[in-house]
Amino acid sequence: DVKVTQSSRYLVKRTGEKVFLECVQDMDHENMFWYRQDPGLGLRLIYFSYDVKMKEKGDIPEGYSVSREKKERFSLILESASTNQTSMYLCASSWAVTTEAFFGQGTRLTVV
Amino acid sequence: KNQVEQSPQSLIILEGKNCTLQCNYTVSPFSNLRWYKQDTGRGPVSLTIMTFSENTKSNGRYTATLDADTKQSSLHITASQLSDSASYICVVPMEYGNKLVFGAGTILRVKS
Repeated sequence: DVKVTQSSRYLVKRTGEKVFLECVQDMDHENMFWYRQDPGLGLRLIYFSYDVKMKEKGDIPEGYSVSREKKERFSLILESASTNQTSMYLCASSWAVTTEAFFGQGTRLTVV
Repeated sequence: KNQVEQSPQSLIILEGKNCTLQCNYTVSPFSNLRWYKQDTGRGPVSLTIMTFSENTKSNGRYTATLDADTKQSSLHITASQLSDSASYICVVPMEYGNKLVFGAGTILRVKS
């Protein structure tokens, strides 16, 4: 079975902290994605990566950066956490955008 | 504009009853349509993927239909169980731009 693992289920951080969310997939997928999910807004794409060291902005990249140094690992970085970044963060991976995407279990981030 | 719209927004049914969720899309060109189930506080899990040539596909008590002419899909749940309580998300990949277009989801609650 494909596995996408996110490093934390729950995180509580203070405003202004630098936050790292880690995601690891074990299926050698080319594509990896970071989404945030808020009630009533559905899933919104923050960043995606189609290869090591390659990244593209999604629909809401402001306040976030990403890193993909190895194929299996895709990190989301909140440079200076703010309360409006309190959300559920989901990582996903796939062979290609037209093939099935597999999601991690999600990280519920609360910024206080 | 590439969009996916789902209805109803939420639904409450009694255990053992059937229900149908709707998805309309305007994404073009079309390659496939996916239905995901997302339990509260968890990542989405794939239920089915339907390609252009498929009209009906079943996965246990879940049956998805696709009408590529009218750009509509439905997810029918038979003999609902309490464990079916979840959010059901319709997703269509957008080949140009390497993105997934998500519906806002239908929140289903099955009551005993």
